[in-house]
Amino acid sequence: AQSVTQLGSHVSVSEGALVLLRCNYSSSVPPYLFWYVQYPNQGLQLLLKYTSAATLVKGINGFEAEFKKSETSFHLTKPSAHMSDAAEYFCAVSENNAGNMLTFGGGTRLMVKP
Amino acid sequence: KAGVTQTPRYLIKTRGQQVTLSCSPISGHRSVSWYQQTPGQGLQFLFEYFSETQRNKGNFPGRFSGRQFSNSRSEMNVSTLELGDSALYLCASSFPDTNTGELFFGEGSRLTVL
Repeated sequence: AQSVTQLGSHVSVSEGALVLLRCNYSSSVPPYLFWYVQYPNQGLQLLLKYTSAATLVKGINGFEAEFKKSETSFHLTKPSAHMSDAAEYFCAVSENNAGNMLTFGGGTRLMVKP
Repeated sequence: KAGVTQTPRYLIKTRGQQVTLSCSPISGHRSVSWYQQTPGQGLQFLFEYFSETQRNKGNFPGRFSGRQFSNSRSEMNVSTLELGDSALYLCASSFPDTNTGELFFGEGSRLTVL
């Protein structure tokens, strides 16, 4: 069975500061890993995905994530936070050949202070 | 290209009633998935349909059902509503033959059960 753990349900950073959102997963097979973002009153939007190609994955809006198999982690980073980054972020895992059934972490709400 | 469209966006029901939610996927997408989002349980997978067939099913009681039509539009139904069914129900679509979990989400249908 697969699972995803996001450390920190709330993270607060100052505008211009580094953003680091943590995600650890467990999976019995090589996984596909994703980060999705949800803005208030909206659905989820894909930020980036890892599908066993490059371990450093670049996404939209300046975000990137690094797959570390030894640590079973897929942390999301952005060098400089912007006010518009305030949202809830979800890490998700999908096992290969599992269709489009995602297991999501509990989410991390990112707050950006001016 | 139009995104995933969900109707209705908001609805209020009372316990014991039933509800039907509708989802129109992105044109050309044949896979439709449904997720339930609640503050307590987070995002949970309900089911996935592909070419009118249920391909995967999450761990929800039989009161939750769905179907997909030949034009890929999907509906989900919840019968005998309970207070705990209050949630945001998200529909997502994806390309037909990719099981990579890259989903395109609608804005959701927010169900309140009184």
